[in-house]
Amino acid sequence: SQKIEQNSEALNIQEGKTATLTCNYTNYSPAYLQWYRQDPGRGPVFLLLIRENEKEKRKERLKVTFDTTLKQSLFHITASQPADSATYLCALISSGSARQLTFGSGTQLTVLP
Amino acid sequence: KAGVTQTPRYLIKTRGQQVTLSCSPISGHRSVSWYQQTPGQGLQFLFEYFSETQRNKGNFPGRFSGRQFSNSRSEMNVSTLELGDSALYLCASSPRQATSYNEQFFGPGTRLTVL
Repeated sequence: SQKIEQNSEALNIQEGKTATLTCNYTNYSPAYLQWYRQDPGRGPVFLLLIRENEKEKRKERLKVTFDTTLKQSLFHITASQPADSATYLCALISSGSARQLTFGSGTQLTVLP
Repeated sequence: KAGVTQTPRYLIKTRGQQVTLSCSPISGHRSVSWYQQTPGQGLQFLFEYFSETQRNKGNFPGRFSGRQFSNSRSEMNVSTLELGDSALYLCASSPRQATSYNEQFFGPGTRLTVL
């Protein structure tokens, strides 16, 4: 069956360090993958999109990689700040006929001052 | 531009009742998708409407239905509510069909509690 797994439900890191979040998928052939941030009581906010033919995408302190061989995406936040504390969700859509956006369960990141 | 708005923000119902939730997308956006978010199941896709037609449907029972109006506003209806329907219901809009290469803009959600 199709599955999207994000590493550990919770991740704590020290301010200034790089946070690395993992998104693994099975039985998908994603055309692209997206990352969202969600704060408590709010809807997710789009951060980055990476396509299957792209290896890496950057936006300010954020970097996403996409390895379709490993079936994995890594999401990095460099020079992390307490304001980066939130739940981060990966989402992907299959390139097949049943096209819908499916979300992972999320990783709750806490950046400690 | 105003963001996605959802009404009501909070709702309490009892089992067996029905409920209608409303979503107004960002101006110019033609796609509205609905999601259910619970602590146990995470964010799950319900359905997507584009130009007043349901384009995709997730794996939810027929008690969950929706529609989209000509101004792109969308409503979601849940009939015969069950305790397990308690969740945060999120809608998201995008300029083109959600399966295209574009981001989705989420509203703040409607918190539904079924007693």
